Amino acid sequence: GAVVSQHPSWVICKSGTSVKIECRSLDFQATTMFWYRQFPKQSLMLMATSNEGSKATYEQGVEKDKFLINHASLTLSTLTVTSAHPEDSSFYICSARVAGRTEAFFGQGTRLTVV
Amino acid sequence: DAKTTQPPSMDCAEGRAANLPCNHSTISGNEYVYWYRQIHSQGPQYIIHGLKNNETNEMASLIITEDRKSSTLILPHATLRDTAVYYCIVRVARTQGGSEKLVFGKGTKLTVNP
Repeated sequence: GAVVSQHPSWVICKSGTSVKIECRSLDFQATTMFWYRQFPKQSLMLMATSNEGSKATYEQGVEKDKFLINHASLTLSTLTVTSAHPEDSSFYICSARVAGRTEAFFGQGTRLTVV
Repeated sequence: DAKTTQPPSMDCAEGRAANLPCNHSTISGNEYVYWYRQIHSQGPQYIIHGLKNNETNEMASLIITEDRKSSTLILPHATLRDTAVYYCIVRVARTQGGSEKLVFGKGTKLTVNP
């Protein structure tokens, strides 16, 4: 149980286009999901906290108009990278917490390459 | 959340126990110790967590000192597939409500050698 799935696993897009990444909790409902970004040889950096039915909370320095987060249901959160640029190329990872449990579970990540 | 200190890298022979230390000297009374690992190009995987008692599951054991200022994650029989970056994180744990975030440090790069 407690499986979090991301789609796609990897994506290549042209500079200036937008890319949507999906994060699904497959066997549980997640009122809160988290989005992280990881650059090569670095640790995970939290970007935002996604709350079902309300606006996401962004970490300092993360542009909310560039990284659009939608959490319209208890099993799906999406991250849209708008007007992507090469510097947005990174590994994006989502996580979710199961109600009644304190540990978080992570998706397999999405490798974004902007060319 | 309290900060943690981990060695940047460790090596372990296959089949031997891997003992990964973590210092969290500023931990508060209501903060738990969590361990995650990240195998290359994958999302982090939950391993174990504890408050003050030692914990064991099918993956590992967690030993927390009596003063709770440090802990050790033990992989009893390391395999090549255990090669990963291991993260020790301390934070308040709630089962209802809240949106406690996990803040990742740099972790320990464990290499299991044949």
